[in-house]
Amino acid sequence: GDSVTQMEGPVTLSEEACLTINCTYTATGYPSLFWYVQYPGEGLQLLLKATKADDKGSNKGFEATYRKETTSFHLEKGSVQVSDSAVYFCALSDFGAGNQFYFGTGTSLTVIP
Amino acid sequence: EPEVTQTPSHQVTQMGQEVILRCVPISNHLYFYWYRQILGQKVEFLVSFYNNEISEKSEIFDDQFSVERPDGSNFTLKIRSTKLEDSAMYFCASKDPYEQYFGPGTRLTVT
Repeated sequence: GDSVTQMEGPVTLSEEACLTINCTYTATGYPSLFWYVQYPGEGLQLLLKATKADDKGSNKGFEATYRKETTSFHLEKGSVQVSDSAVYFCALSDFGAGNQFYFGTGTSLTVIP
Repeated sequence: EPEVTQTPSHQVTQMGQEVILRCVPISNHLYFYWYRQILGQKVEFLVSFYNNEISEKSEIFDDQFSVERPDGSNFTLKIRSTKLEDSAMYFCASKDPYEQYFGPGTRLTVT
């Protein structure tokens, strides 16, 4: 069945460091891929998404490219800020299979000044 | 901006008690979902709901769980007889044609 494997955390970085959070997926169809972010005490917010192979999703300086050949959707940011401290979830939805989302375990990111 | 809301934010209950978690989806959405996240584990799909009936459910969603849309605005998840292992964060979501929108979650603690 469909699943998402996400890089284990927690991750601690200094401000302005580069970030990569790895995400790989398994899907029977042609899923859409997502990154959600959860700030402390808040719900899941969509950060970016990509709906087909080679699409690049981007938002707030974060980017992720849908790589079908490696079944990956790694999240990257060139220079993190303290305000990026949150938990990041990779997810897929195979809309042909009922619209439900499959999530990774989440990666906690702490950015220190 | 419209958002999904959930109440309460934190619910503490004793084992064996019934709990009802409440959600108000975004008003013009037609698809509704419940997910849960046990501490340190994945967010897991529980159930989807469309046109006043369950459209899909996971193995987790057994007979102790039920969902209802009682009044056209609320969307509830009922757990009839809670167990310790039901302690988790429960997320509600609603969907437009393009994406799901998640609520802030209800943290359920079963003692």
